[in-house]
Amino acid sequence: AQTVTQSQPEMSVQEAETVTLSCTYDTSESDYYLFWYKQPPSRQMILVIRQEAYKQQNATENRFSVNFQKAAKSFSLKISDSQLGDAAMYFCALTLNTGTASKLTFGTGTRLQVTL
Amino acid sequence: EPEVTQTPSHQVTQMGQEVILRCVPISNHLYFYWYRQILGQKVEFLVSFYNNEISEKSEIFDDQFSVERPDGSNFTLKIRSTKLEDSAMYFCASSVTGRSEQYFGPGTRLTVT
Repeated sequence: AQTVTQSQPEMSVQEAETVTLSCTYDTSESDYYLFWYKQPPSRQMILVIRQEAYKQQNATENRFSVNFQKAAKSFSLKISDSQLGDAAMYFCALTLNTGTASKLTFGTGTRLQVTL
Repeated sequence: EPEVTQTPSHQVTQMGQEVILRCVPISNHLYFYWYRQILGQKVEFLVSFYNNEISEKSEIFDDQFSVERPDGSNFTLKIRSTKLEDSAMYFCASSVTGRSEQYFGPGTRLTVT
């Protein structure tokens, strides 16, 4: 079974600064996908970024980028030029590239505060 | 932009009652999922559904739970006899393939009293 660990329950960043959220995972499979989801106070789950395990290049999406270290099973999210609207709960998630409909396994989340 | 919708946004029910949570996935998506999130905890997988049958279910998804796609657009989660511990946010998600990113609905907050 796969597991996802987020060791930072809360993080804080000043507006316009950069913050990195950590995530580690464990799976015996070699083919999988990793995601970061954002959950604002409305509790809607919003996809932030996706990384395929077979790709060495780190994914980027505007101000969001990841540092994917496959050997270390690490998948951190960097948010640059932080904005007040980035304040939310961030969940790291993993899905295997096997089976018919692959479930997402989530970490416990990191609450990000953005201060002025 | 197409999105997953869920109704109702909030459901209050008494213990032992049946509830049906409804979802309309994105129209060209073929894979459907239910997850739940107990307040303050992580999101947990309940069930995945493809081609009118369950693909996988978790240990949480016991005989009290069932899913159905009654028509070409709706995807429902039924809890036959609710318990206090079923109180949670229930999210529906859909994806184009079984391995592509899943798009979530806004959730239904279920409160069992």
